[in-house]
Amino acid sequence: SQWGEENLQALSIQEGEDVTMNCSYKTYTTVVQWYRQKSGKGPALIILIRSNEREKRSGRLRATLDTSSQSSSLSITGTLATDTAVYFCATDSGYNKLTFGKGTVLLVSP
Amino acid sequence: GPKVLQIPSHQIIDMGQMVTLNCDPVSNHLYFYWYKQILGQQMEFLVNFYNGKVMEKSKLFKDQFSVERPDGSYFTLKIQPTALEDSAVYFCASSPGQTSAETLYFGSGTRLTVL
Repeated sequence: SQWGEENLQALSIQEGEDVTMNCSYKTYTTVVQWYRQKSGKGPALIILIRSNEREKRSGRLRATLDTSSQSSSLSITGTLATDTAVYFCATDSGYNKLTFGKGTVLLVSP
Repeated sequence: GPKVLQIPSHQIIDMGQMVTLNCDPVSNHLYFYWYKQILGQQMEFLVNFYNGKVMEKSKLFKDQFSVERPDGSYFTLKIQPTALEDSAVYFCASSPGQTSAETLYFGSGTRLTVL
């Protein structure tokens, strides 16, 4: 896929640590959405950042967007074991079709 | 929050058979989607559907695939005939508006195994 690509990685951290995941994309997008997918479930949107925003915060989550480098990051502060999941970024060209990245597997140990 | 229901959660069929995956989207949503996820890989867009019509489909949406939502009932994905490479988890999603501004709500998926 050309869009919403992120470096496939697996991160294993201890509860309480902070973590940052990165996403790079190759084509224009009006929005970057970050989804969390827990085992056996569908993805759930956790934060959305629009192309005219550089940073967005929601609770322990912080997303950034750099349209010049076509990259986005998701940071989680004070991680909990319940944050264990796969995190995907998704981009949208405006044609109502989200393209998902490969995902980052995050394992948070208690 | 709003929930998308998918029925069944698992389906095992023999290659060449027909299968219909059912999705009950969020009641006031207007846009509907199917995505395909092979184990351990990313979600791949199949098709979106609005106002009774397919708006856009990907290369993965083969001729054997079809979608419909008759009279506001289930939004369905039919595969006829199935092939071994159709084995995957299929996620249905819906949104009230276009994805550039709206959240996609996903169901928990139907795991399809083609033998």
